Amino acid sequence: AQSVAQPEDQVNVAEGNPLTVKCTYSVSGNPYLFWYVQYPNRGLQFLLKYITGDNLVKGSYGFEAEFNKSQTSFHLKKPSALVSDSALYFCAVRGPGNTPLVFGKGTRLSVIA
Amino acid sequence: KAGVTQTPRYLIKTRGQQVTLSCSPISGHRSVSWYQQTPGQGLQFLFEYFSETQRNKGNFPGRFSGRQFSNSRSEMNVSTLELGDSALYLCASSLGGQGARYEQYFGPGTRLTVT
Repeated sequence: AQSVAQPEDQVNVAEGNPLTVKCTYSVSGNPYLFWYVQYPNRGLQFLLKYITGDNLVKGSYGFEAEFNKSQTSFHLKKPSALVSDSALYFCAVRGPGNTPLVFGKGTRLSVIA
Repeated sequence: KAGVTQTPRYLIKTRGQQVTLSCSPISGHRSVSWYQQTPGQGLQFLFEYFSETQRNKGNFPGRFSGRQFSNSRSEMNVSTLELGDSALYLCASSLGGQGARYEQYFGPGTRLTVT
């Protein structure tokens, strides 16, 4: 069965600094990896995905993520954080076929002005 | 295109009652998934439907059920409500097919409170 780990419950970063939100996964076969963001009292918004191809994936709002097969990681990054990036971030993985999408516990990002 | 819509947005029920939540997917999307979100357990998968067939089911008791209609709209039902069922219920739609590669688009959720 597939699983996702987000080792940090909370990440704090100063505005303008680079940010990284960590994610590692476990899946049989090739993974399909996703990042979502949730703002207060809202549903989840899709940020980006890795299906195949280039290991560096670019997504919405200036976010990108790097797929590392040997480390089974898919860390979310942004070169310069904004206060408006403060939210709850979820990493998710799906195995081949029609297996369910499995989410990590989420990481709360706080960007401080 | 209109996004995923969920009704109602807020619901208060009493223990032992039953509840039905509704989800309308994005036009053209054939797959609908349901999740339960709580502060303690995070996001837990309930079930996924594709073309009116349940494709996957999470580890929830039989009190939780769902269905999908021919227009891809979906409903989930919870019978004999318990206090622990209080949560945000999220619906998500995707193009489906070989579902792994498609991202899901989420609705705003239904906040269920059981008293």
